[in-house]
Formats: sequence, structure tokens, C-alpha cells
Amino acid sequence: DAGVTQSPTHLIKTRGQQVTLRCSPKSGHDTVSWYQQALGQGPQFIFQYYEEEERQRGNFPDRFSGHQFPNYSSELNVNALLLGDSALYLCASSYRQGSSGNTIYFGEGSWLTVV
Amino acid sequence: GNSVTQMEGPVTLSEEAFLTINCTYTATGYPSLFWYVQYPGEGLQLLLKATKADDKGSNKGFEATYRKETTSFHLEKGSVQVSDSAVYFCALSINNNDMRFGAGTRLTVKP
Repeated sequence: DAGVTQSPTHLIKTRGQQVTLRCSPKSGHDTVSWYQQALGQGPQFIFQYYEEEERQRGNFPDRFSGHQFPNYSSELNVNALLLGDSALYLCASSYRQGSSGNTIYFGEGSWLTVV
Repeated sequence: GNSVTQMEGPVTLSEEAFLTINCTYTATGYPSLFWYVQYPGEGLQLLLKATKADDKGSNKGFEATYRKETTSFHLEKGSVQVSDSAVYFCALSINNNDMRFGAGTRLTVKP
């Protein structure tokens, strides 16, 4: 049973460019959340997708957008990249948004470096 | 708002020493509480969780008890090993919505 898979694992972008990160949830999961983890800090919630809609959003600007597909996979898009966007981007999946007690699983993350 | 505060590191222990990493939380409603571990260069792995007051989560010798009266979820292990060296994150969520993490505590265990 594959867990949460993310791609790419590492990438380097230039300021002002755009990036797309991809996530496939754990089998049986229908909810995907994205987190940004800056070096030496805890992950920060970006947003959550369920039933192909953004359900909750953290304190991130509109440059951060996402999408969920009918197969529950998800993309995170970041436009107009800033140096401060350099971080590990983590995808997490769970079953049924809004259900307490269900375990949330994290992927290995995508390391983004903006130069 | 909902938040987690955990003991700042780094923490350095000798093998077989006792470990405690403190975590306290602030939440409206009834959160589930978690400890995640992150090994160097890897993503987050769930270590243990507790979903209601007085629940004890345990895994791989680690334990934490959900204490509503003190709003705490301290992580403990009786005898740490070198392989336990990692960063430990305390976290909470309500209804599996956005998960709030602490800043992380780096543990180094020396032989």
C-alpha cells in the first residue's frame, strides 16, 4: 500500500518564476492538505482540499493556489516566487475532512529552493 | 486561536537516559493531539496520538498522555537510543482540519 507520494523531490527555481508540486494521497484517502516547512521551523498549514474544493486556508497569500482532481490527487502552485518561498513543502492526506481521530499521513516532501 | 508550544531544543542525552519533551496547547473545542518525528532529510512520521482527555498514546517505547486539566501532552521515553535522534513535533488538530505544529525539538542521543 503506497503512502503519500510527492513529486518532484527537489527543485530549484528563479525569483519570479512559477512552480507546481504534485501529491498523490494514500490509498483510500480523499482529503489532501499542504504545508510549508521553512528550515528549522514547524510546518505551517497552507490549505486543504476535499471533494475538489478548497475547504480551509491558512495565512498564505493568493500566490499560493491549488487543485484537487477527481482521483483525489492534488497540485500546489506558487506564482511569482520569492526567496522566502524556499522551504520543504509537505502534502498530507486523510480520510473524510472534518472527521476527528482519523490519522493524517505525510509525504516525504518537495524541497524548493528559490534563487 | 489554536496553537502548540513545545520545549525548545536542542536536547542532548546519553544513550539509555530518560527523555521528556514538554508540549502544551491552546485550543477552542476538543483537539486531537499528536507527536510527529522527522529524521534528517525525511518527511514527518506519526509517532503517536491521542484523541480525547486522559488517552495515552504510545509507540516504540514513547508515551504521551492527553492532560486536559494542564492542557499538556508531554512526550516521554524511559531509555533513549542513538536511533531516536531526530526532530520531534507536537501538533493538534480539530476534526482533522488544519494541523497546528510546534516549532520542533531536536534530540541528539550520544552513545
